[in-house]
Amino acid sequence: DAKTTQPPSMDCAEGRAANLPCNHSTISGNEYVYWYRQIHSQGPQYIIHGLKNNETNEMASLIITEDRKSSTLILPHATLRDTAVYYCIVRVPGNAGNMLTFGGGTRLMVKP
Amino acid sequence: DTGVSQNPRHKITKRGQNVTFRCDPISEHNRLYWYRQTLGQGPEFLTYFQNEAQLEKSRLLSDRFSAERPKGSFSTLEIQRTEQGDSAMYLCASRPPGLAGGIFYEQYFGPGTRLTVT
Repeated sequence: DAKTTQPPSMDCAEGRAANLPCNHSTISGNEYVYWYRQIHSQGPQYIIHGLKNNETNEMASLIITEDRKSSTLILPHATLRDTAVYYCIVRVPGNAGNMLTFGGGTRLMVKP
Repeated sequence: DTGVSQNPRHKITKRGQNVTFRCDPISEHNRLYWYRQTLGQGPEFLTYFQNEAQLEKSRLLSDRFSAERPKGSFSTLEIQRTEQGDSAMYLCASRPPGLAGGIFYEQYFGPGTRLTVT
């Protein structure tokens, strides 16, 4: 699985967009980008994933650069409940049992 | 609630004691995963099952650790002769069967069991 780099922490004002970056410069052509988040005292929760096109669902949007070396998770209107650690994971679907390799993630603090 | 459940949620034990955790996955999810998470770190993979078969084990899973999924439903993780370094959150996750072509299915995580070894 490709290595990812995320800032350790970020702040965001409630109601504003939260933009969480992830660098994955060694990503290979068949690796997808996945995002999970972990709210305090809970297990991780899947957010979104993508290969090369931008993706959007009810939780967030994922923007992947054209060269696929980086991506940004966007929470369009952050709420206090979005305070969590966000993990960016790059991997090949179906590879090695689909176990997830988590890095340190970004601790997002949404402030009123 | 039909999500992944784990019991107990908290366990405090003395060094040298054995502990066992249980995970009940979402029904019909044939894959079950165990992860360990220490304070301030992301979860680390321990092992996974497809039905009752244990298909992969991490190097983190020392011989003091054993996991079972006897009927392909719930799973147990036992730690023998606990050490203070075993103190962590133990997370279980499950996912549905995959389709040909390696289509990704998200993993659904339980709330975890927090183990404290004194």
